[in-house]
Amino acid sequence: GQNIDQPTEMTATEGAIVQINCTYQTSGFNGLFWYQQHAGEAPTFLSYNVLDGLEEKGRFSSFLSRSKGYSYLLLKELQMKDSASYLCAFMDSNYQLIWGAGTKLIIKP
Amino acid sequence: GAVVSQHPSWVICKSGTSVKIECRSLDFQATTMFWYRQFPKQSLMLMATSNEGSKATYEQGVEKDKFLINHASLTLSTLTVTSAHPEDSSFYICSAKSSGSLGETQYFGPGTRLLVL
Repeated sequence: GQNIDQPTEMTATEGAIVQINCTYQTSGFNGLFWYQQHAGEAPTFLSYNVLDGLEEKGRFSSFLSRSKGYSYLLLKELQMKDSASYLCAFMDSNYQLIWGAGTKLIIKP
Repeated sequence: GAVVSQHPSWVICKSGTSVKIECRSLDFQATTMFWYRQFPKQSLMLMATSNEGSKATYEQGVEKDKFLINHASLTLSTLTVTSAHPEDSSFYICSAKSSGSLGETQYFGPGTRLLVL
């Protein structure tokens, strides 16, 4: 079967670093996505990993280990505007996105 | 690049009326468009997938006669909620992807808030 799991909520301090983990199980895999969704808004694309390793994009980095069915999103130098839900999703063998429930990130001053 | 627009951004209607929501890819050709629904504090729920020029594929539990989807061109898909009822009130979001250089990434429209009275 297929499933995907990420923590429901995390809290971090402004200026700090936070890592949001995502684990998944699937027989067919065509990449893993991270999206950011602010309350009341649609998701915005952050990253896409299809090969193992770390992809860095400014303050945000995303890591993938296909053998472990594991990904994380790393946010550095946290800002208050980073308070949002972070959704991970993998693309299955039919190129359909399977979504996690999202991790609500709360940033405290 | 990869901008998707939705119209209207919010709509209030009476129970029993129909509402049409448009989703447009502004700077790329969307071979596939997706329609999602999201209830407050819940995750995205895929409603249907539509490929240009063919019938939409609906997810289990989504009534295709109630949620009419048309994907007549490579830049436009419409979702019509027919005979809307209060339980259809939700946040409807479309996304689009192309088969070109943008790869398999889905880009989302800003969403449409529907309130059925």
